[in-house]
Amino acid sequence: DQQVKQNSPSLSVQEGRISILNCDYTNSMFDYFLWYKKYPAEGPTFLISISSIKDKNEDGRFTVFLNKSAKHLSLHIVPSQPGDSAVYFCAASRSSNTGKLIFGQGTTLQVKP
Amino acid sequence: NAGVTQTPKFRVLKTGQSMTLLCAQDMNHEYMYWYRQDPGMGLRLIHYSVGEGTTAKGEVPDGYNVSRLKKQNFLLGLESAAPSQTSVYFCASSPPARGGNTEAFFGQGTRLTVV
Repeated sequence: DQQVKQNSPSLSVQEGRISILNCDYTNSMFDYFLWYKKYPAEGPTFLISISSIKDKNEDGRFTVFLNKSAKHLSLHIVPSQPGDSAVYFCAASRSSNTGKLIFGQGTTLQVKP
Repeated sequence: NAGVTQTPKFRVLKTGQSMTLLCAQDMNHEYMYWYRQDPGMGLRLIHYSVGEGTTAKGEVPDGYNVSRLKKQNFLLGLESAAPSQTSVYFCASSPPARGGNTEAFFGQGTRLTVV
């Protein structure tokens, strides 16, 4: 059973526009959510996170929104840049559960110049 | 600052062979993890460790063993490799999850092919 789902395998946007990546989860015990970015032949790198006590967290061009009632989170990238082209993974954890991360399948973002 | 280092980066095994993947971290993190990444599946947790001398099973532990004899090292072993274990393996480490803020740091990955 996939507890964290990213239903869009890929997304293509024009440079300068907004990119919106979506993620859904089923386990209401998750209380911490993260986004990781992964380039080919590299390990995932942490991008941004949000605690379940918040509904928004912003870091520069990146904003994560959390809708607990819908068990949904999204990552907004504004403006999108060609260097943002990568695979984005959504992950969730329970703060009381040894920090184990449960990942979604990933969304490949392509930002066209 | 090396962070998390995985050895080797690439390996080809024949079915039935054994091997050990090494992970080393220099951030003095308590927690360490082994994940595998397969197309369309995201990253799935194989085994993890919350401290030296301790290990526990993750989502997909079958066919793998692990050891954490030293705090900085986490070894992943395949006793008898199978084609289904062809994957990219990632090691990660993190500080204890106190307060819920658990950012894990990942190595660069090991691409394993079992033929």
